[in-house]
Amino acid sequence: GESVGLHLPTLSVQEGDNSIINCAYSNSASDYFIWYKQESGKGPQFIIDIRSNMDKRQGQRVTVLLNKTVKHLSLQIAATQPGDSAVYFCAERAGGATNKLIFGTGTLLAVQP
Amino acid sequence: NAGVTQTPKFQVLKTGQSMTLQCAQDMNHEYMSWYRQDPGMGLRLIHYSVGAGITDQGEVPNGYNVSRSTTEDFPLRLLSAAPSQTSVYFCASSPQGVIGYTFGSGTRLTVV
Repeated sequence: GESVGLHLPTLSVQEGDNSIINCAYSNSASDYFIWYKQESGKGPQFIIDIRSNMDKRQGQRVTVLLNKTVKHLSLQIAATQPGDSAVYFCAERAGGATNKLIFGTGTLLAVQP
Repeated sequence: NAGVTQTPKFQVLKTGQSMTLQCAQDMNHEYMSWYRQDPGMGLRLIHYSVGAGITDQGEVPNGYNVSRSTTEDFPLRLLSAAPSQTSVYFCASSPQGVIGYTFGSGTRLTVV
C-alpha cells in the first residue's frame, strides 16, 4: 500500500475565500513559531513568525494564531488568490539561541479560480 | 546580493560514491543549516552552524559531514551515498537575532 507520508493534507478553497491552515507542534519550550510557503520547485519562503508569548500576529493578508494550551498554530490567509497556491509549513524554533528550526509535514493549499 | 546559492541543482550518484553539495551565502549571515526534504514530507534538519568553526548535528545527521571554515560557505558531504539519501537538499542562512531563514533553491539528488 501507499505510505501516508506521500500524501500531504490538502486544503482546497475558492479564489477570494479565506483560508485557514492548521498545525500542531510538539515542544512546549519552543520560543518562536514560523510559517513558510513553498512553491513547486522552489525553496521555502518566510511568511510570518510569532513569539511564544503572543497569541496573535497580523501581516499583510495573513494572520497567525497561537494556542499554547493545545499546542496549536494556525495561518489565516484573507481573500485567497491563485498565487497563494503552494505547500505551507509551520516550524518551531526549538534551540533558542542556535536558531534551530523543526518543521511540520506541510499542507497543500489549492486555490480554485 | 545573490542570497543563498546551492550547486549543483541536480545530481545522480551511484551507491557508494561520495560527493559534496555546495552552499554559499553573500549576506554575512552567522547561522547556516542543511535540510533534506522527502516527497510529501516536511524538512528535516541534517546539520547546522552558528558561525565559522562551529557545527552541530540536527535530526538526521548520519551519513553526512559538514564544516564551516568561512562565514560564507557551508558544504555538505555525503561520505558513501545510499539510495535512502535520495532527496531534495536545502541550505538556509539567517543573521543572528533573526528568526526566519533564507533558503536556497535546492539540490535534487538521486542515488541509484
